[in-house]
Amino acid sequence: DTGVSQDPRHKITKRGQNVTFRCDPISEHNRLYWYRQTLGQGPEFLTYFQNEAQLEKSRLLSDRFSAERPKGSFSTLEIQRTEQGDSAMYLCASSPTGTGNTIYFGEGSWLTVV
Amino acid sequence: AQSVTQLGSHVSVSEGALVLLRCNYSSSVPPYLFWYVQYPNQGLQLLLKYTTGATLVKGINGFEAEFKKSETSFHLTKPSAHMSDAAEYFCAVSAGGGADGLTFGKGTHLIIQP
Repeated sequence: DTGVSQDPRHKITKRGQNVTFRCDPISEHNRLYWYRQTLGQGPEFLTYFQNEAQLEKSRLLSDRFSAERPKGSFSTLEIQRTEQGDSAMYLCASSPTGTGNTIYFGEGSWLTVV
Repeated sequence: AQSVTQLGSHVSVSEGALVLLRCNYSSSVPPYLFWYVQYPNQGLQLLLKYTTGATLVKGINGFEAEFKKSETSFHLTKPSAHMSDAAEYFCAVSAGGGADGLTFGKGTHLIIQP
């Protein structure tokens, strides 16, 4: 399978704990995106990488959130001191560089904070 | 800044009937437009996209959409609904360059009645 893969697919954590999600994009894609999706809503942009550089961050990405893409390949999204409002699906996506290119999504990582 | 409005959070059609899902966008620059489908507990799959050229675009699973600049619309249609089309459908806009990825609408849940 050469699509975008995410791990874990589901995570249940207690409020206040830290969680980390991993994303492996399609291998030749330079761009990597993180989105958040809550029930009944469309995905909302969180952040975007061009290779290893984080070029854009949404105001939704509070100080408790941090994303990295250290070698321009896989990426991690860490949420510190989780809150119940963080419960959502976190979607990773990737695309080639260039305008109008298709953005390919992974299956998502479901987070439930109890 | 761009935005997407999807009219109707739920649309119900009979199997074999025409499917019409409405999408209107706002963009300060010529947009790139996308329709994605999401099945329960899964990521998003691209149905079709408009970048430039022909305004009627055909996608997978018999879906098509027409870009109408004068109406700022990009409605999704399928001549004959199938039970397997039941899913959540998202319209999205990109202003190009991919700097901030896609802006999604809130989605339309398509229900197919037998």
